[in-house]
Amino acid sequence: GQQVMQIPQYQHVQEGEDFTTYCNSSTTLSNIQWYKQRPGGHPVFLIQLVKSGEVKKQKRLTFQFGEAKKNSSLHITATQTTDVGTYFCAGHDYKLSFGAGTTVTVRA
Amino acid sequence: DAGVIQSPRHEVTEMGQEVTLRCKPISGHNSLFWYRQTMMRGLELLIYFNNNVPIDDSGMPEDRFSAKMPNASFSTLKIQPSEPRDSAVYFCASSFGLAGAGNEQFFGPGTRLTVL
Repeated sequence: GQQVMQIPQYQHVQEGEDFTTYCNSSTTLSNIQWYKQRPGGHPVFLIQLVKSGEVKKQKRLTFQFGEAKKNSSLHITATQTTDVGTYFCAGHDYKLSFGAGTTVTVRA
Repeated sequence: DAGVIQSPRHEVTEMGQEVTLRCKPISGHNSLFWYRQTMMRGLELLIYFNNNVPIDDSGMPEDRFSAKMPNASFSTLKIQPSEPRDSAVYFCASSFGLAGAGNEQFFGPGTRLTVL
């Protein structure tokens, strides 16, 4: 079955620095979604990527879908304390499979 | 819109007791999902319904777990009998369209279950 692997599991970032989290699937995906879960909260949809090589930006967040549609990345520039939380990728083949998430903490 | 509603928000029970978690999806959404989240296993899909019909229950851990969706606005997840290893946060999510269609899922606030 489909497996979605996400690295790193934890990311400790100095405020103002950039970081990237990566997502890899064992199978080709029809699309990939990214969610953010704040501590004590629930996952909230951020974005969906559908096309091979697609790149989308949301302010300081840049999302990319690989050419083979088997990997994706989320890059955050100039990290802020509001970026704290766990970022999940979720790959779609016939159902949504979530990666383990990257938990981000920010040092002020 | 009130979003996905789950109840109770917290549940503490003793091993062997029956637990029922409830979910009201967003009006107009025709897909509903139950997830379980733990530190060890992350976010796991237990079951999903489309148009009130269970489509994929391969994630349901064992026969102690059952889920129903009697109508478009209500679903339950039941654990009987409950065990300490069932302690987790259980999320309900809903979306419009089929699970494979790539539509955004809206998550409820979750039910934090503790089985003593």
